[in-house]
Amino acid sequence: EMVMTQSPATLSVSPGERATLSCRASQSVGSSLAWYQQKPGQAPRLLIYGASTRATGIPARFSGSGSGTEFTLTISSLQSEDFAVYYCQQYNNWPPRGTFGQGTKVEI
Amino acid sequence: QVQLVQSGAEVKEPGASVKVSCKASGYTFTNYYMHWVRQAPGQGLEWMGIINPDGGGTNYAQKLQGRVTMTRDTSTSIVYMELSSLRSDDTAVYFCARVLPPKQRTGAFETWGQGTVVTVSS
Repeated sequence: EMVMTQSPATLSVSPGERATLSCRASQSVGSSLAWYQQKPGQAPRLLIYGASTRATGIPARFSGSGSGTEFTLTISSLQSEDFAVYYCQQYNNWPPRGTFGQGTKVEI
Repeated sequence: QVQLVQSGAEVKEPGASVKVSCKASGYTFTNYYMHWVRQAPGQGLEWMGIINPDGGGTNYAQKLQGRVTMTRDTSTSIVYMELSSLRSDDTAVYFCARVLPPKQRTGAFETWGQGTVVTVSS
């Protein structure tokens, strides 16, 4: 079964700083990787798909990279509204068991 | 604009069933697969299953097989998720989510419902 592992579990960053989040797949998923942002009491919001394509309306400070088993989400200059939990999701394997990582909390 | 609007919060006793609805608007309902994802309190996201609104075909997470049923009504553009034999560990927020590319069963989840809180408690 596919396992998605995110690191770190918690990332403490100051506003204006750069944040780098990692996601590792237990087997290759090609570029079939998405990133989501979730704030308390809200549904997840799609940020990145295809490993590096920003979804509609997502600011340019969010960027994704990687392929195969290693992926990175970078937030170039953290804004106050970026403090949230971030999840990666693979959609290469069918059925999508183990599709989500466990999340990285970005906190002040 | 594309919208998914879910039914309201539910409180159920252990052993009961719950049926959550997800009404789609702003796009051709039968062109996009719909997934269901749940999130227990303070936990991560768990994939539950998928339904193809065009034909009604389904595929469920192995751990939920036998307890979950997903259906759709094309006349109202609503998909339903019913979970039976509820247990306390089914307490969670349940989301419907539409896949980004049309006519593909897997992909990024571009649009999400607002979530439905289901509480299982005696």
